[in-house]
Amino acid sequence: NAGVTQTPKFRILKIGQSMTLQCAQDMNHNYMYWYRQDPGMGLKLIYYSVGAGITDKGEVPNGYNVSRSTTEDFPLRLELAAPSQTSVYFCASSGDSGAKNIQYFGAGTRLSVL
Amino acid sequence: QKEVEQNSGPLSVPEGAIASLNCTYSDRGSQSFFWYRQYSGKSPELIMSIYSNGDKEDGRFTAQLNKASQYVSLLIRDSQPSDSATYLCAVSSGYSTLTFGKGTMLLVSP
Repeated sequence: NAGVTQTPKFRILKIGQSMTLQCAQDMNHNYMYWYRQDPGMGLKLIYYSVGAGITDKGEVPNGYNVSRSTTEDFPLRLELAAPSQTSVYFCASSGDSGAKNIQYFGAGTRLSVL
Repeated sequence: QKEVEQNSGPLSVPEGAIASLNCTYSDRGSQSFFWYRQYSGKSPELIMSIYSNGDKEDGRFTAQLNKASQYVSLLIRDSQPSDSATYLCAVSSGYSTLTFGKGTMLLVSP
């Protein structure tokens, strides 16, 4: 039961570098999400996707990009990393929307930008 | 702007007591409500969902929903030290996304 798999678990970036956070799910879920969580804060939605080829911005999309070429994968791209992007990033997936939007989370990626 | 409010805590209770966690939300059109538990350094995991007014029980957990007052609560009976975690309230307004509160930290002392 792999569920939602995120890689890498930890990463340190220098200011201005770029990287891609990987997310894959094996539950054939249509809905996928990227959140960031800062200390003492809840989850803030960065981007989400309702199916392959369809993505939309969440609450805090600036500085990030996403793509969804397959049902399984939903990578998050950071361009020109900034210290403000130091956070823990969670990917989640759901098999339904609305009332049954039960989201399953990956283990997270802890990112530091120095 | 949809908002979900929770007391950040920490809420401290002794082992065996009832822990009561509360959440209020701003969007009257909200339809579905979820409680996630998050241990320190771990990812959130769903523990309860509730969709209609009233109580829903699952083992030691009871979720309570009052749409007229726009609040949802989580009761944990016979609290155990292993229940010590941050509890996140999440609300769906019928679309594809959830709005999360900042979470309430619960500490259960032996």
